[in-house]
Amino acid sequence: EDQVTQSPEALRLQEGESSSLNCSYTVSGLRGLFWYRQDPGKGPEFLFTLYSAGEEKEKERLKATLTKKESFLHITAPKPEDSATYLCAVQAGWGQAGTALIFGKGTTLSVSS
Amino acid sequence: EPEVTQTPSHQVTQMGQEVILRCVPISNHLYFYWYRQILGQKVEFLVSFYNNEISEKSEIFDDQFSVERPDGSNFTLKIRSTKLEDSAMYFCASRWTAEKLFFGSGTQLSVL
Repeated sequence: EDQVTQSPEALRLQEGESSSLNCSYTVSGLRGLFWYRQDPGKGPEFLFTLYSAGEEKEKERLKATLTKKESFLHITAPKPEDSATYLCAVQAGWGQAGTALIFGKGTTLSVSS
Repeated sequence: EPEVTQTPSHQVTQMGQEVILRCVPISNHLYFYWYRQILGQKVEFLVSFYNNEISEKSEIFDDQFSVERPDGSNFTLKIRSTKLEDSAMYFCASRWTAEKLFFGSGTQLSVL
């Protein structure tokens, strides 16, 4: 069964204190791994898509990396506005079917000043 | 930046009633989706829609659910006879390429 597990469930950081969020996955035929940010009461906001092991993408203070079994979202020198829930999702399978995303439960990040 | 628009933002209904959740996907997108998120749980896939037909659906999407694209801009999710366990945030999403899936802000459905 395709599965996505994120850790930790919650993370509290001081402003400027860098850290990493983990997403481990078990899928049959990975088409892509996605990172989203979700603010309370809002829909997921797209951050990154990674396709193959070794791939890295960056956006401001965020950097996503991918291995064959897991992905990391590194947050460098976070600010209070980075506080949100970060969701990891995978897309598995091939063809027209298999476009659905399978989400993890997310990591809720709180950054205090 | 273009966005996926969902209405209403909140919907309260009585158990057994029919509800229709409405979405306006981004205008040049071709693939449309409904997901839901029960409070405190994962975002879950319900259904995908392409070329005016369902391309994939989950076990959650049973005979009580249906989707429709009645015109060139709207995409709707209908629940025929709501149950208490249908209470959730429902997200519409759309995409043009496989790389980015854009989500709306959701409709919070409360079934009493």
